[in-house]
Amino acid sequence: EADIYQTPRYLVIGTGKKITLECSQTMGHDKMYWYQQDPGMELHLIHYSYGVNSTEKGDLSSESTVSRIRTEHFPLTLESARPSHTSQYLCASSPTGAYGYTFGSGTRLTVV
Amino acid sequence: QKEVEQDPGPLSVPEGAIVSLNCTYSNSAFQYFMWYRQYSRKGPELLMYTYSSGNKEDGRFTAQVDKSSKYISLFIRDSQPSDSATYLCAMSGANNLFFGTGTRLTVIP
Repeated sequence: EADIYQTPRYLVIGTGKKITLECSQTMGHDKMYWYQQDPGMELHLIHYSYGVNSTEKGDLSSESTVSRIRTEHFPLTLESARPSHTSQYLCASSPTGAYGYTFGSGTRLTVV
Repeated sequence: QKEVEQDPGPLSVPEGAIVSLNCTYSNSAFQYFMWYRQYSRKGPELLMYTYSSGNKEDGRFTAQVDKSSKYISLFIRDSQPSDSATYLCAMSGANNLFFGTGTRLTVIP
């Protein structure tokens, strides 16, 4: 049973819309991550957080922003969606000092 | 050059076969090595986790790390149709994990 929840699972949205992808975890993990996954490509880190009020950009340049106001919640926002944002977005978490991540089921985003 | 190289497959094997999945990497600073399994329309789930060179066994799964060759492997014995999934290798960097592209495996009954 998943302890990290992502909503929505699927989203089709028009260009220029603002969207927020939700991610919540119930494990009390300090570290949380957002990855982007495209078919046949490796997962790319777009944002991460080591705790409340801590956020950093990852290796992949992204036009999205994140916030970490509560330990359990790590939403990702796109201010103006574009077709190039079409992808699967995966949220993950891990406790401090561990390298094994727990992933959510992902949000598959399509921008038309 | 990519940090992690993984043959994307696809790989099809008959039920009961031994499966070998492999990754190579270029960064000698990587210390922790993981294998994730990802079923269709799901997020990756941690399968095996190793540190340092050598073998680690968990049921039908064996993870092998050869740091001198920068090469890691996952062996699946007596493969089952339920093993059909994409397998991703991952390695720890300073702030995050570096993933391979994943190998899509199908076990045919």
